Amino acid sequence: GAVVSQHPSRVICKSGTSVKIECRSLDFQATTMFWYRQFPKQSLMLMATSNEGSKATYEQGVEKDKFLINHASLTLSTLTVTSAHPEDSSFYICSARTSGRAFTGELFFGEGSRLTVL
Amino acid sequence: AQTVTQSQPEMSVQEAETVTLSCTYDTSESDYYLFWYKQPPSRQMILVIRQEAYKQQNATENRFSVNFQKAAKSFSLKISDSQLGDAAMYFCAYRSAGGNTGKLIFGQGTTLQVKP
Repeated sequence: GAVVSQHPSRVICKSGTSVKIECRSLDFQATTMFWYRQFPKQSLMLMATSNEGSKATYEQGVEKDKFLINHASLTLSTLTVTSAHPEDSSFYICSARTSGRAFTGELFFGEGSRLTVL
Repeated sequence: AQTVTQSQPEMSVQEAETVTLSCTYDTSESDYYLFWYKQPPSRQMILVIRQEAYKQQNATENRFSVNFQKAAKSFSLKISDSQLGDAAMYFCAYRSAGGNTGKLIFGQGTTLQVKP
């Protein structure tokens, strides 16, 4: 099956700093990637939809200036949490879909990245 | 807007027994996909089973099967011969068939405990 890799898996940073999380599709081209946020024992909440070569579409209530998403290539999307604060601490998960006729309806998920802001 | 509801926050089952996880959804669309994902302690999301709304036949994957009731907007997951490795959080998810994004809408999740 298709593989999506996230890096880093864990990151600890000081309040006020920025953190970048990468999401890569290793063996397929992903025209669309999705970024989710998950609090402990809760569901995945969609933050934004990232399309290669265009601006991300953010869900209602998600600050686009706080969570910068870049999808510069068909295999890489990045999420940058700017000026992070303790309330940004969470588990962030990306997922990707194949494109065109290869799209089977399934999304492939990365391993997730746990962010802790001190 | 579409919503997905899982009314069982926690479930437990004895090893080798059968358990059913409930899921209901709300949509005005006629064509869509439904999924069950498993999230073990590693937090990696794993696709368990998928169902296309236009198919009347219930999907089956080995020990996992669904009961898809389109009119009732119900999509339950049955796990037969439960194994210790089935212990995880299970999410029901909905995706529109139309449009180009393919984004998933998740239910709240059900934590399944498997007792030896």
